[in-house]
Amino acid sequence: ILNVEQSPQSLHVQEGDSTNFTCSFPSSNFYALHWYRWETAKSPEALFVMTLNGDEKKKGRISATLNTKEGYSYLYIKGSQPEDSATYLCAFSGLANFNKFYFGSGTKLNVKP
Amino acid sequence: DGGITQSPKYLFRKEGQNVTLSCEQNLNHDAMYWYRQDPGQGLRLIYYSQIVNDFQKGDIAEGYSVSREKKESFPLTVTSAQKNPTAFYLCASTIGDIYSNQPQHFGDGTRLSIL
Repeated sequence: ILNVEQSPQSLHVQEGDSTNFTCSFPSSNFYALHWYRWETAKSPEALFVMTLNGDEKKKGRISATLNTKEGYSYLYIKGSQPEDSATYLCAFSGLANFNKFYFGSGTKLNVKP
Repeated sequence: DGGITQSPKYLFRKEGQNVTLSCEQNLNHDAMYWYRQDPGQGLRLIYYSQIVNDFQKGDIAEGYSVSREKKESFPLTVTSAQKNPTAFYLCASTIGDIYSNQPQHFGDGTRLSIL
């Protein structure tokens, strides 16, 4: 079983704060790293699919970076809003089986108005 | 609208009973997955299927069984051998093509409890 770790486990910020969290994954045989947002009572929604070392992706106020050589990805949220409150999951897949995904336990973000 | 439908939303199992969770997709995806989530934990892979009539065990397959007779459907049976079945179950699918790099799409989940 591959180890994918996310930190912190939970985060409480005020509206307007910028925040970031980390996903660590194996640095060998990398294929792809996915980020998902999971709001309460909804299904997980894809944010980014990242495949190349040095990738930076952006969607509105949310962006992500990828370092496959050292095995980590950062997710940034600029100017957090209450609607950003959710659990953010990352998932790793490797070259050995690109269709098999290993999920981290998630970072639960709570943005207070 | 294309998507993944899981049913039922809530399910109760009696001791010694097998129960089946349904997952249907109309996205024309080849790969389908079943995950389990326990409180405070991430998604753990139970079974996945990359193509019709084929499936592989995930990390926690013991006590579960699946079938993939149709591209659209990937039902999960929780057998009586699964001693701790109370959890939230998510079904997902993706195109499954090595070149496409597409994310997974998820259903709304089924919450299974023991009576």
